[in-house]
Amino acid sequence: QLQLQESGPGLVKPSETLSLTCIVSSGSISSSRYYWGWIRQPPGKGLEWIGNMYYSGNTYYNPSLKSRVTISGDTSKSQFFLKLSSVTAADTAVYYCARGTISCSCDDYWGQGILVTVSS
Amino acid sequence: QSALTQPASVSGSPGQSITISCTGTSSDFGGYNHVSWYQLQPGKAPELLIFDVSNRPSGVSNRFSGSKSGNTASLTISGLQAEDEADYYCSSYTSSNTVFGGGTKLTVL
Repeated sequence: QLQLQESGPGLVKPSETLSLTCIVSSGSISSSRYYWGWIRQPPGKGLEWIGNMYYSGNTYYNPSLKSRVTISGDTSKSQFFLKLSSVTAADTAVYYCARGTISCSCDDYWGQGILVTVSS
Repeated sequence: QSALTQPASVSGSPGQSITISCTGTSSDFGGYNHVSWYQLQPGKAPELLIFDVSNRPSGVSNRFSGSKSGNTASLTISGLQAEDEADYYCSSYTSSNTVFGGGTKLTVL
């Protein structure tokens, strides 16, 4: 059974870069059938799509975050990463990593999520 | 891209059926039928309930069903159970972007 687990610091200072890793177990991130993405949920608010990474190397980001986001992967380690620069308190959220199936553009496996707080 | 519009909350008694709507514009849904529904419960990883408007992944109860008419997608839960109490989100994929609904809190009375 595929499993995803987010890891990274739970506290990031304003103006710094938020860096998270998604560890994929019992599966590979090098399949052309899937994409790998990040979604977040600020406290008390709804889900917000951050972006996706495809095996082809293509990445797509939420236009509202595009200037600050980078998603990349390491196929040898079955891990993919999120970097969000110049963070503010508005970036405080639970961050989820997920696998998506290209044929339905739906996220069929999710991690449990990790709370990242932006505060000095 | 604005969030898709969902009711903030719905409720129902065990055994009843409820429907959650998800309304967008024609550009939100585009020419695709890539509408999905997710269930979020505290302490659990989000779960995909419906994909491509009305398809259920393997293992998802047939009490969950989806449909779409015009610019409104809907999730229906029949035979409500206490375990269905959760937050539900719709999403739509168009032009390499994904947009989520604002979420609906389901309370089972």
